[in-house]
Amino acid sequence: DAKTTQPNSMESNEEEPVHLPCNHSTISGTDYIHWYRQLPSQGPEYVIHGLTSNVNNRMASLAIAEDRKSSTLILHRATLRDAAVYYCIVAGTASKLTFGTGTRLQVTL
Amino acid sequence: DADVTQTPRNRITKTGKRIMLECSQTKGHDRMYWYRQDPGLGLRLIYYSFDVKDINKGEISDGYSVSRQAQAKFSLSLESAIPNQTALYFCATSAVTGTGGAGANVLTFGAGSRLTVL
Repeated sequence: DAKTTQPNSMESNEEEPVHLPCNHSTISGTDYIHWYRQLPSQGPEYVIHGLTSNVNNRMASLAIAEDRKSSTLILHRATLRDAAVYYCIVAGTASKLTFGTGTRLQVTL
Repeated sequence: DADVTQTPRNRITKTGKRIMLECSQTKGHDRMYWYRQDPGLGLRLIYYSFDVKDINKGEISDGYSVSRQAQAKFSLSLESAIPNQTALYFCATSAVTGTGGAGANVLTFGAGSRLTVL
């Protein structure tokens, strides 16, 4: 599975948009890009995933670069409840998602 | 009730003891996974199962064994617990989606089982 690189931490003000970057330069053509987040004292939860096109759902948007070597998770209006560790994962055909250390997002008033 | 239930949620045990962590799911998913989380190391895959008769080793299977008793149940055992197995353990499930193939699988996690080995 392709490796991913994310910043260790990011900060945002409440109600501001947040762009969480992820690099995955070794991604292969059939790999999906997944984002999960882990709130304090909870298990990870699914946020969004995509293959080539940008994706939107009720939680976030996923912007995928044209060469697919990077992607950005966009939280349109961060709230205090969005403070979590965000994992960017590139999944191959084996259906095994390998979690790195993610980006710890802090949201302040 | 939670879709993925892990028991126990917390367990303290002693070195050398046999420990079983249980996972049950009501999502009807075929695929189940056990992950381990240590501070600063993210989540690492221990074992996974794609159906009742299928068991596969993950990244860190040494010292662990699993049993898939039914589609809905997947247990993780530590035959002889040691202190460096102190960690947070997560069970997860997934199903093959109608489109996109295996790479599009979405995982649903349990709340975790915190194990301390003294």
